[in-house]
Amino acid sequence: SAVISQKPSRDICQRGTSLTIQCQVDSQVTMMFWYRQQPGQSLTLIATANQGSEATYESGFVIDKFPISRPNLTFSTLTVSNMSPEDSSIYLCSVVRPGLEKLFFGSGTQLSVL
Amino acid sequence: AQTVTQSQPEMSVQEAETVTLSCTYDTSESDYYLFWYKQPPSRQMILVIRQEAYKQQNATENRFSVNFQKAAKSFSLKISDSQLGDAAMYFCAYRRGMTGGGADGLTFGKGTHLIIQP
Repeated sequence: SAVISQKPSRDICQRGTSLTIQCQVDSQVTMMFWYRQQPGQSLTLIATANQGSEATYESGFVIDKFPISRPNLTFSTLTVSNMSPEDSSIYLCSVVRPGLEKLFFGSGTQLSVL
Repeated sequence: AQTVTQSQPEMSVQEAETVTLSCTYDTSESDYYLFWYKQPPSRQMILVIRQEAYKQQNATENRFSVNFQKAAKSFSLKISDSQLGDAAMYFCAYRRGMTGGGADGLTFGKGTHLIIQP
């Protein structure tokens, strides 16, 4: 399995502010994915982050709201910008282990927006 | 676009008994993977089992096994000898295979809340 460190584990933020979530992997991976899990719901893919290129966003998610960085093959950040209470969710990063076709997940960031 | 459907919002089973969680999916791809993930209250997503679409043999991992019916697009999870630690949300998920691009993330079903009664 992959070791994925995701920070912060939880945060409480004020409306209108931004939060950056970090995801660090213990080995190089090509693709990293960011998911959102709204309260009591399933996981929804926000975007795919490949090193050296712009992130690819799913329908309903835009770069201005969820900018993503992928500076190298072991690290990525997701920023939730100009937050509103509707952004209160769990945000998870995941990676594909090369050759295994298995997706592993970070422990998630519990975000509450007041 | 692919969809994943879990029709059981909640299931309950006695400890040591067997329970089956249902999942159906829809795709036009021939190369894909199916997964079951477990999410306990800690919110950590834990991979339970994986099935490659090209394999006819059902995947098995200890007490967990799947019934993969490709023609029916069905992928159920059987948990044998249920234990209290199995209590969690279970999500069925789909991912396109590498021949179809393979750059996709997972598409998840809505989940089934599994309760284990002592």
